[in-house]
Amino acid sequence: DGGITQSPKYLFRKEGQNVTLSCEQNLNHDAMYWYRQDPGQGLRLIYYSQIVNDFQKGDIAEGYSVSREKKESFPLTVTSAQKNPTAFYLCASSTGLADYGYTFGSGTRLTVV
Amino acid sequence: AQSVTQLGSHVSVSEGALVLLRCNYSSSVPPYLFWYVQYPNQGLQLLLKYTSAATLVKGINGFEAEFKKSETSFHLTKPSAHMSDAAEYFCAVSDRSNYKLTFGKGTLLTVNP
Repeated sequence: DGGITQSPKYLFRKEGQNVTLSCEQNLNHDAMYWYRQDPGQGLRLIYYSQIVNDFQKGDIAEGYSVSREKKESFPLTVTSAQKNPTAFYLCASSTGLADYGYTFGSGTRLTVV
Repeated sequence: AQSVTQLGSHVSVSEGALVLLRCNYSSSVPPYLFWYVQYPNQGLQLLLKYTSAATLVKGINGFEAEFKKSETSFHLTKPSAHMSDAAEYFCAVSDRSNYKLTFGKGTLLTVNP
């Protein structure tokens, strides 16, 4: 079945370390997104990519980086510059058609200690 | 620019009671509208969407929503709440020229026995 796979489900890191969250999709979708979710704050867009080798900053890109070398993959790196990285991270993809909406992965919960 | 307002960050109902989750949108063009559900520590799952066919849209798990242009609303309802409906619900909007979704801040639904 087609879908989006985020790994790992839970991730623990020490403060000051960079960490990379994986997002892979086999839906043949052109667009991919990363969101951060904190209690009571809804979904906040970190980065998005409409096509391979291109991506744009979202609302809260500071302290994060991404790459889009393959259509299927959109990894997110949480750098040591991110002041409060502990959160639930969601990856999504879409066809690029306005009436499709998004397909979401199951999320990665990052805890920095 | 488009926006979504979900009235009530937390709604509590008794099992068997009517569920009503409110969503109002702002869009300069006729929108596409979506409702997503998120269970704890999971990704978002599409419940239903309005794409300008019927104004009353039926979704999964017995939910439905009605698009009311005059009220710029897309409220989500279910006649009889079940314990398994306890989750967070997100309303989202996209306009026809931009496939990116704008999400509301979410409504947490609690179902009491």
